[in-house]
Amino acid sequence: KQEVTQIPAALSVPEGENLVLNCSFTDSAIYNLQWFRQDPGKGLTSLLLIQSSQREQTSGRLNASLDKSSGRSTLYIAASQPGDSATYLCAVKGSQGNLIFGKGTKLSVKP
Amino acid sequence: GAGVSQSPSNKVTEKGKDVELRCDPISGHTALYWYRQSLGQGLEFLIYFQGNSAPDKSGLPSDRFSAERTGGSVSTLTIQRTQQEDSAVYLCASSSSTGKTGELFFGEGSRLTVL
Repeated sequence: KQEVTQIPAALSVPEGENLVLNCSFTDSAIYNLQWFRQDPGKGLTSLLLIQSSQREQTSGRLNASLDKSSGRSTLYIAASQPGDSATYLCAVKGSQGNLIFGKGTKLSVKP
Repeated sequence: GAGVSQSPSNKVTEKGKDVELRCDPISGHTALYWYRQSLGQGLEFLIYFQGNSAPDKSGLPSDRFSAERTGGSVSTLTIQRTQQEDSAVYLCASSSSTGKTGELFFGEGSRLTVL
């Protein structure tokens, strides 16, 4: 059974810092991995999608990497801003077709 | 529509009543998912529709929960005889491809409170 773990559960950093969020999964037979952002009381916003054949994806200040063989992904956020404060969720899609989510990392960027 | 639309955004009901939650996916998306997010918990998979295939119902927590998707578009999640533990945010997502490689797009959710 696929399990997704995100470390740390919470993170507080001063504005301007670069930071890394970690995601690990137990079954490497995945189709893709997706990073989402969730603001309080809101739905999920897709940030980056990495297919199983890819190593990384970039969007603006965000860079996500995927090492399928070791069951790991990282989300790198450069030059963090207070507006980046949110919960970041990692999810993997396997042969069943549905996404399995981690519990998220709650990020707080202090001005 | 421009995005996944869910209604109602908030629903308060009494224990024992039935509720229906609606999801209108992005036009043309063939895959539709329902998830549940309880306070302080992660997202729990409920059910997955892919085109005309039989839905994957493996995540439904009990037989009080059911969902249908009419005409391959709009979906309704029905909870019968609601219990307090059903209180959660119910999130719907859709995807454009066969579902195996496609990116999921989520709605804002329907917050259900059972008194």
